[in-house]
Amino acid sequence: DTGVSQNPRHKITKRGQNVTFRCDPISEHNRLYWYRQTLGQGPEFLTYFQNEAQLEKSRLLSDRFSAERPKGSFSTLEIQRTEQGDSAMYLCASSAIVITEAFFGQGTRLTVV
Amino acid sequence: GQQLNQSPQSMFIQEGEDVSMNCTSSSIFNTWLWYKQEPGEGPVLLIALYKAGELTSNGRLTAQFGITRKDSFLNISASIPSDVGIYFCAGQLRPGGTSYGKLTFGQGTILTVHP
Repeated sequence: DTGVSQNPRHKITKRGQNVTFRCDPISEHNRLYWYRQTLGQGPEFLTYFQNEAQLEKSRLLSDRFSAERPKGSFSTLEIQRTEQGDSAMYLCASSAIVITEAFFGQGTRLTVV
Repeated sequence: GQQLNQSPQSMFIQEGEDVSMNCTSSSIFNTWLWYKQEPGEGPVLLIALYKAGELTSNGRLTAQFGITRKDSFLNISASIPSDVGIYFCAGQLRPGGTSYGKLTFGQGTILTVHP
């Protein structure tokens, strides 16, 4: 499978716990994006990497959120001290520089109880 | 933040009917993309549009990039039950180059097709 892969697909956590999600982009895609989607809404941009450099972070990305892409390949998104408002679908997408279409993974559904 | 207005919010149609949905923005976009999302899955790219006025087809789907660059529409002809899902438009400010390619999404159109 050469698409964008996200793990885990589902995560249930207690409020206050830390969680980490992983995204493996399409091979050779330089750009990697994280989006968040709540019920009934379209995805909202969180952050973006070009290779290993994090080039932009949305205001939605509070201090409790951190994303990394250490070797310019896979990326992780960590949420510390989770809150119920963090419950959402977290989507990862990747694209090449020349071809701008972004391809999405299946997402990680986070439920904070 | 920047918002796209997508309409209608939902549609209930009979199998075989044609469907039309559109997206408008107060700002200019250089690229328009249309995605379909099914429950519990990520969005799947349907059509990408790069030039103002461009009309592009993908099977029974046809999409157009508005001349003003502030709107786009998607048509689905002869709908079938598997067309059910949520359709999202997304605008991108600059294609390629050194831009980051961030997408701004509409709120989605929920499509239900009755057999």
